[in-house]
Amino acid sequence: QVQLVESGGGVVQPGRSLTLSCATSGFSFSSYSFHWVRQAPGKGLQWVAVISFGGSNTYYIDSVKGRFTISRDNSKNTLFLQMNSLTTEDTAVYFCARRPRGSSLDSWGQGALVTVSS
Amino acid sequence: DIQMTQSPSSLSASVGGRATISCRAGQDIGNFLAWFQQKPGKAPKSLIYAASSLHSGVPSKFRGSGSGTVFTLTISDLQPEDFATYYCQQYHRYPHTFGQGTKLEF
Repeated sequence: QVQLVESGGGVVQPGRSLTLSCATSGFSFSSYSFHWVRQAPGKGLQWVAVISFGGSNTYYIDSVKGRFTISRDNSKNTLFLQMNSLTTEDTAVYFCARRPRGSSLDSWGQGALVTVSS
Repeated sequence: DIQMTQSPSSLSASVGGRATISCRAGQDIGNFLAWFQQKPGKAPKSLIYAASSLHSGVPSKFRGSGSGTVFTLTISDLQPEDFATYYCQQYHRYPHTFGQGTKLEF
C-alpha cells in the first residue's frame, strides 16, 4: 500500500541545520510531485515547498526561501528537506505529501516534529 | 499570495445533521481547490480535489462545490468520526495557501 514515512525530526538550536527525509513505497515515485507542509503547535497548515516530478523545478514560501532546500532521489524513492539557519518560527510538525498530475495532494506522511529551541 | 478565508472558524453540529463550511479565495482560482480533514495529532486526510471530485475511498456524504472565488464543503449525516478540523487549499498558484481551518464540534 501507499506509504510515506518522515524521519529526521528532533530538537535543534536556533541557527543550526536539520534534514528531513520522507521514504516512500507502494507507488511509482517518479510519477508524482512532492510537497512539504508544516503545522506549528496549535496552528493551521502551512504549505512550505514543492519539487516537480523530475526534480528540476522547486518553489518555496518566502519565509524559508534561501534557507530550505527540497530535493528528491528517484532511485531511492525518497524526498528530502534540508533546513538551514533554523529559527524558533520553524518549530512545527512537517508533513510530506504527494500530488499526482491533475489532482491535489492525495497521500500524506505521519509527520516529523522539528523543535527549534536553545 | 492568494489568501484563503474559511468561515466559520468553528461550527457546532449534531450527529445525523449536516454541516456546511465556506472557503473564499482572494482571487479567481478556477476549480483548483482542495479540502482536507484533520483529527488531533494526525496527518491531514485528503477529501476533495478540483473543488468537487472525491479522492478514492472518500464517502459521498462529503460534497464540494463552487468555482472562481467561492467554495463550499457540505458534510451530510454527520457521524462522530466526522468531528474534526477541515481545511481548504488552493493549488492554482504557488504558494499553495491553506485556509485557517474550521473546527467541527458537537
